Amino acid sequence: SAVISQKPSRDICQRGTSLTIQCQVDSQVTMMFWYRQQPGQSLTLIATANQGSEATYESGFVIDKFPISRPNLTFSTLTVSNMSPEDSSIYLCSVSGTGAFETQYFGPGTRLLVL
Amino acid sequence: QQQVKQSPQSLIVQKGGISIINCAYENTAFDYFPWYQQFPGKGPALLIAIRPDVSEKKEGRFTISFNKSAKQFSLHIMDSQPGDSATYFCAASKGGKLIFGQGTELSVKP
Repeated sequence: SAVISQKPSRDICQRGTSLTIQCQVDSQVTMMFWYRQQPGQSLTLIATANQGSEATYESGFVIDKFPISRPNLTFSTLTVSNMSPEDSSIYLCSVSGTGAFETQYFGPGTRLLVL
Repeated sequence: QQQVKQSPQSLIVQKGGISIINCAYENTAFDYFPWYQQFPGKGPALLIAIRPDVSEKKEGRFTISFNKSAKQFSLHIMDSQPGDSATYFCAASKGGKLIFGQGTELSVKP
């Protein structure tokens, strides 16, 4: 299984600022995803991070608010821009292979509180 | 639109008992159904998964039952232990993208 690390593990930010979250995997992976988990809630897919091209966003999420980079097969970043208290959530990256039944592994998450 | 509905929201079980969590899905294009276990402060970890051409899968104390015609699947935890206390999420996958249920907070009392 892949070992995934995220930085920072947690942060407290002021509204109107931006935070970039890093996701590092210990091996090359094909698929990388970013999820949001609001307090006490389930996980919602934000976007698929595509290596070498623009990320694919899910309905309700836009690039201006959540720009994503994926420069190689082991690293991705998610930026939460112009933050508001409603952005307070856990942000998780996950990775998998390309098969339909590939296990998806999750990172430990980044806990963000926006004041 | 909630594509995967999970119940119950919370569950309390005595040690040694059976924990049962149910999920229902709408989209017949889903082709992979994993269950994840999440402890506080941790990311979700895959527990067990099933494909729609199989009606049941067992791994140790964990069993998935799958009813394709009813579009339902469930997780059974046999001989539940206090260490099983966590939040459990069912999910459905299409093209590698996971749609999660709302989660079930399981508490196993000693």
